Amino acid sequence: GAVVSQHPSWVICKSGTSVKIECRSLDFQATTMFWYRQFPKQSLMLMATSNEGSKATYEQGVEKDKFLINHASLTLSTLTVTSAHPEDSSFYICSARAGRGHKAFFGQGTRLTVV
Amino acid sequence: AQSVTQLGSHVSVSEGALVLLRCNYSSSVPPYLFWYVQYPNQGLQLLLKYTSAATLVKGINGFEAEFKKSETSFHLTKPSAHMSDAAEYFCAVSGTSGNTGKLIFGQGTTLQVKP
Repeated sequence: GAVVSQHPSWVICKSGTSVKIECRSLDFQATTMFWYRQFPKQSLMLMATSNEGSKATYEQGVEKDKFLINHASLTLSTLTVTSAHPEDSSFYICSARAGRGHKAFFGQGTRLTVV
Repeated sequence: AQSVTQLGSHVSVSEGALVLLRCNYSSSVPPYLFWYVQYPNQGLQLLLKYTSAATLVKGINGFEAEFKKSETSFHLTKPSAHMSDAAEYFCAVSGTSGNTGKLIFGQGTTLQVKP
């Protein structure tokens, strides 16, 4: 099956710094990637939809200047959490859509802790 | 608009007992429905999906789900629970009428399997 790799799997950063999370589709071209956020013991919430070569579409309530998404190629999307604060600590998961089907392949997630 | 409700945030069964995880959906268009499993600090793994073909869908690890339009339900079952089934389970519906792959998740159900 298709593989989506997310890096890093966990990161600890100081408050006020920025953190970049990568999402790569290893064996297919992903025209669309999705970024989700999961708070402890809660469900995943879609943050934004990223299409290759165009600006990401953010869900209501998600600050686009804080969560910068870049989808520069068909195999890579990045999420940058700018000026991170402790409340940004969460589990971030990406998924990539292969072709026009509904099958969404998920990365393994990134645990972000801001201290 | 689409939404998913998972009844019961926590389900506990004995090893060998029937597993039943409930999911009800709301959708203004024919839905695509999914069940995912998440182990601690990991990404999501697709168990099965309904895409308007057979209403009884068989997935991996012995799980299956039945789509019931009249009840707007897509409950997940497994005849005999294993200890390794203990995890978080998410029901999801594909958002919008377009083939975008955007998923709306339920709040999740924690499955505990007792020896």
